Amino acid sequence: ILNVEQSPQSLHVQEGDSTNFTCSFPSSNFYALHWYRWETAKSPEALFVMTLNGDEKKKGRISATLNTKEGYSYLYIKGSQPEDSATYLCALESGYSTLTFGKGTMLLVSP
Amino acid sequence: EAQVTQNPRYLITVTGKKLTVTCSQNMNHEYMSWYRQDPGLGLRQIYYSMNVEVTDKGDVPEGYKVSRKEKRNFPLILESPSPNQTSLYFCASNPLTSGRSHNEQFFGPGTRLTVL
Repeated sequence: ILNVEQSPQSLHVQEGDSTNFTCSFPSSNFYALHWYRWETAKSPEALFVMTLNGDEKKKGRISATLNTKEGYSYLYIKGSQPEDSATYLCALESGYSTLTFGKGTMLLVSP
Repeated sequence: EAQVTQNPRYLITVTGKKLTVTCSQNMNHEYMSWYRQDPGLGLRQIYYSMNVEVTDKGDVPEGYKVSRKEKRNFPLILESPSPNQTSLYFCASNPLTSGRSHNEQFFGPGTRLTVL
């Protein structure tokens, strides 16, 4: 079983703060790195799928970077809003088209 | 509307009583998968299927069965449920590109199962 680690486990910020989380993974098993946003009582929803070293993707105030050589990805949220409160999951796609998920970073944004 | 549906959404059952959780997608996706989510453990893959009649074990397959007789459906079967299978279950699907996932997964709404 591959080890995908996310940090921090949880984060509490104020509205307007910018924040970032880390996902680390074994670089030898890399095919793609997925980020999902999971709100309570809903289904996880895809944010990004990243495949290339140095890749940077952006969706509104959320962006992500990828370093496949050292095995990490960062997710950034600029100017956090209360509606950004959710658990953010990363998942490593490896050799057999399956995803190994990290345990997630739970973000709470207070007004 | 493109979606993944699961039924039932909630189920309370007793040890040993066989049950099936259905999963259906209307996006013509080749790849389908089942996960369970437990506190502190994150999403763990139970089984996956890359196409009709092609299924394989994920990380935690013990106590589960699946079938893929049609492209759109991927039911999860618990032949003899036990309390340690109490969990939140998600079905997901995505298209394959050149035999790889490489695409975002679409998740169903989840099924919360309690085995007494």
